[in-house]
Amino acid sequence: DAGVTQSPTHLIKTRGQQVTLRCSPISGHKSVSWYQQVLGQGPQFIFQYYEKEERGRGNFPDRFSARQFPNYSSELNVNALLLGDSALYLCASSFTGELDEQYFGPGTRLTVT
Amino acid sequence: DQQVKQNSPSLSVQEGRISILNCDYTNSMFDYFLWYKKYPAEGPTFLISISSIKDKNEDGRFTVFLNKSAKHLSLHIVPSQPGDSAVYFCAASAEEGSGAGSYQLTFGKGTKLSVIP
Repeated sequence: DAGVTQSPTHLIKTRGQQVTLRCSPISGHKSVSWYQQVLGQGPQFIFQYYEKEERGRGNFPDRFSARQFPNYSSELNVNALLLGDSALYLCASSFTGELDEQYFGPGTRLTVT
Repeated sequence: DQQVKQNSPSLSVQEGRISILNCDYTNSMFDYFLWYKKYPAEGPTFLISISSIKDKNEDGRFTVFLNKSAKHLSLHIVPSQPGDSAVYFCAASAEEGSGAGSYQLTFGKGTKLSVIP
């Protein structure tokens, strides 16, 4: 079975631009979470979606938004990019999003110049 | 304010010996703890978890110990193998509300384990 897939793998954007990152969960998983990992830090929670509804939001500005589609795939959008948004963006899927293990994708490396 | 702390950025261990990775937390609402392993250019991979109702959980070479009074957990790897060389993240979760609460993970900064052949 395919694991969690994310696209693109790498991305370079300029300050002020907007970016969309994509995630396809493991087949049968209905929950998707997004994390930001800045170099030298652990992943930081951004959003969790379950059955297309936002279930949780971390401490991120409104420039960050996400949605989940009927096929359970998800997009993370970041507007008005700042240099500090440069990070590895990780997507994780799980069956219910509850206290079970989340399976992470390889991430999208975003560089903002 | 870091709620999950891994105070050792790196650890070197000889092959065959025990590796002990430590993690402290400050949020008393955390009730579920997980360890993840991360290789370069890959996402974190789940290793082992423990609920706050337990103080030990074992899975093969991996054992996690939880000391709730000290808000401390540790991951023991015995015996350590070169393939265990990776960054290890401690993560914690707190059930928020009831029913469909968000079960977000709060991660530590990670500990880079090097197992020397």
